[in-house]
Amino acid sequence: DGGITQSPKYLFRKEGQNVTLSCEQNLNHDAMYWYRQDPGQGLRLIYYSQIVNDFQKGDIAEGYSVSREKKESFPLTVTSAQKNPTAFYLCASSPPVAGGRRDTQYFGPGTRLTVL
Amino acid sequence: AQRVTQPEKLLSVFKGAPVELKCNYSYSGSPELFWYVQYSRQRLQLLLRHISRESIKGFTADLNKGETSFHLKKPFAQEEDSAMYYCALRPRDTGRRALTFGSGTRLQVQP
Repeated sequence: DGGITQSPKYLFRKEGQNVTLSCEQNLNHDAMYWYRQDPGQGLRLIYYSQIVNDFQKGDIAEGYSVSREKKESFPLTVTSAQKNPTAFYLCASSPPVAGGRRDTQYFGPGTRLTVL
Repeated sequence: AQRVTQPEKLLSVFKGAPVELKCNYSYSGSPELFWYVQYSRQRLQLLLRHISRESIKGFTADLNKGETSFHLKKPFAQEEDSAMYYCALRPRDTGRRALTFGSGTRLQVQP
């Protein structure tokens, strides 16, 4: 379980402030993902990155930004442009699929963001 | 675009009863379907995938392309099966590896 970590566990933000959520993995996975989890809506994809220095928008990217400067790290910034940022944020990673390896996503413990 | 639908938010059964968690999907190409599970105070984790045709913790799921369904079944529920279950889809015929999740079904197994 320690292979993918997220910090902090709880985060409080005032309206109008940007905040960055950390996601780190030591599993040597090439792909990383950010999902948002809201009650009754399941998980929705925010951004994903399949290789270093490249990332793609997901289904709800507006008001969020990411970077992927290192293989191990995929931080998510929630900007003041995100209209309803209070949610539970999950980071995931998956290994390369070459060589018959299956594409399984491994999830972090999550960060709960509350906007005050 | 793909879509995954889990029509039940909550499914409550008694211990020993059969369980079926429903999942329907829409995708015009070739999908890969998964079930992920989140037990209380634990991380979301893979339960099973249709390609492997496996049985995990007594659960099975068969991909029915005609009905576009991937229902999760277990003949005899156990209390430890109580959890949140998510059905997910990944397009096999594109380069996209991200998953599209359903809204989830909470399974409560009562003693």
